[in-house]
Amino acid sequence: QVQLQESGPGLVRPSETLSLTCTVSGGSISSYYWSWIRQPAGKGLEWIGRIYTSGITNYNPSLKSRVTMSVDTSKNQFSLKLRSVTAADTAVYYCARDSNPSKFDPWGQGTLVTVSS
Amino acid sequence: QSALTQPASVSGSPGQSITISCTGTSSDVGGYKYVSWYQQHPGKAPKLMIYEVSNRPSGVSNRFSGSKSGNTASLTISGLQAEDEADYYCSSYTSSSTLYAFGTGTKVTVL
Repeated sequence: QVQLQESGPGLVRPSETLSLTCTVSGGSISSYYWSWIRQPAGKGLEWIGRIYTSGITNYNPSLKSRVTMSVDTSKNQFSLKLRSVTAADTAVYYCARDSNPSKFDPWGQGTLVTVSS
Repeated sequence: QSALTQPASVSGSPGQSITISCTGTSSDVGGYKYVSWYQQHPGKAPKLMIYEVSNRPSGVSNRFSGSKSGNTASLTISGLQAEDEADYYCSSYTSSSTLYAFGTGTKVTVL
């Protein structure tokens, strides 16, 4: 079955750019939407945005000015860049397949990103 | 971004049934059939339990069921088991530019 795995630095300095990649295995990345979702410690889930394999994106308006998503179908990967990070961006970041618009399934295991100097 | 409202905690004894509510508006829960529910154990990724209000993915126990009335969706867990102790989140498609809203989360405790 399809599995997702996030990768990227676990520590990012304030004002710098957070960069994560999600690798999809066990199936093709094509013809699906792929979302990023984050969860600060002890808090709820926040949808960051999504990308279709054609490159079409939708972003959460609260993060839109700082977010860029991209997809590399040849590598079965999609990526997230979040610019000008602050401590408030410290969270576990998940990638998930987005069966527009009904469900997020499956999810990656999540990766903790800490913003600190 | 407006989160959907869930009770902070719900508890029950083994074998009992519990229901978790998820209240939104006509722009999200009330306006679409695209409500889903996720179970999250500590330190783990969320797991899809219910989608499109009441559909269960293969492999999910039939003790989990979903429904909706107006702007409120509900997740019912029947025959409560120790392994059901976890956090539960609802999610809905929304007509706003946010596209998706999540619930505030409910901690289920098995007494």
